[in-house]
Amino acid sequence: EVQLVESGGGLVKPGGSLRLSCVASGFTFSITWMGWVRQAPGKGLEWVGHIKNKADGGTADYAAPVKGRFTISRDDSTNTVSLQMSTLKTEDTGVYYCSTVANRNSWSWGQGTLVTVSS
Amino acid sequence: QSVLTQPPSASGTPGQGVTISCSGSSSNIGSDYVYWYRQLPGTAPKLLIYRNNQRPSGVPDRFSGSKSGTSASLAISGLRSEDEADYYCAAWDDSLSGVIFGGGTKLTVL
Repeated sequence: EVQLVESGGGLVKPGGSLRLSCVASGFTFSITWMGWVRQAPGKGLEWVGHIKNKADGGTADYAAPVKGRFTISRDDSTNTVSLQMSTLKTEDTGVYYCSTVANRNSWSWGQGTLVTVSS
Repeated sequence: QSVLTQPPSASGTPGQGVTISCSGSSSNIGSDYVYWYRQLPGTAPKLLIYRNNQRPSGVPDRFSGSKSGTSASLAISGLRSEDEADYYCAAWDDSLSGVIFGGGTKLTVL
């Protein structure tokens, strides 16, 4: 069974940084693309970005609102994908979901971790 | 404002069928697969339909997807109270080089 467990959420001031982690199990992590999707309070889903597996280059793609501020990385030795967020804005507030990615779309989802950006 | 357009709400009575539409453009639905997700209140989204009309293992055949041109639809037959949820369509957008989601449709089972 696929399991994705996010952690690292919390309260941070505007301009600050936060690092989210997602530990995966139940599938072959090293060959799987991984992604992040967020959801602002009471709003819809928004794609944040994804990272390819090493065989496909291991590079990451990002949504325009977070490009240059967020970095997705992966550690295949620990089955972990991370989202480093910097220069955070109030509009980055929301629940961040980790997901497996197939054909560039999310497949299995974690339970999410809440990020609140507020002074 | 979402690039994929969904009706904000839909409703039906138990046992009935309902269809949720998703309208896009040539750079997204018109050129790539459509995915559908269901999000029950307070929970993470779950994949319902992939590649326009395929159901993952465990998703009942009451759920079906279709696509024509730059629009897609999710049909749910034999409505149950537990189908009350938010439903989202999604597709890769070549112009934006990213995944885009519809704004979501809140389904109420009366």
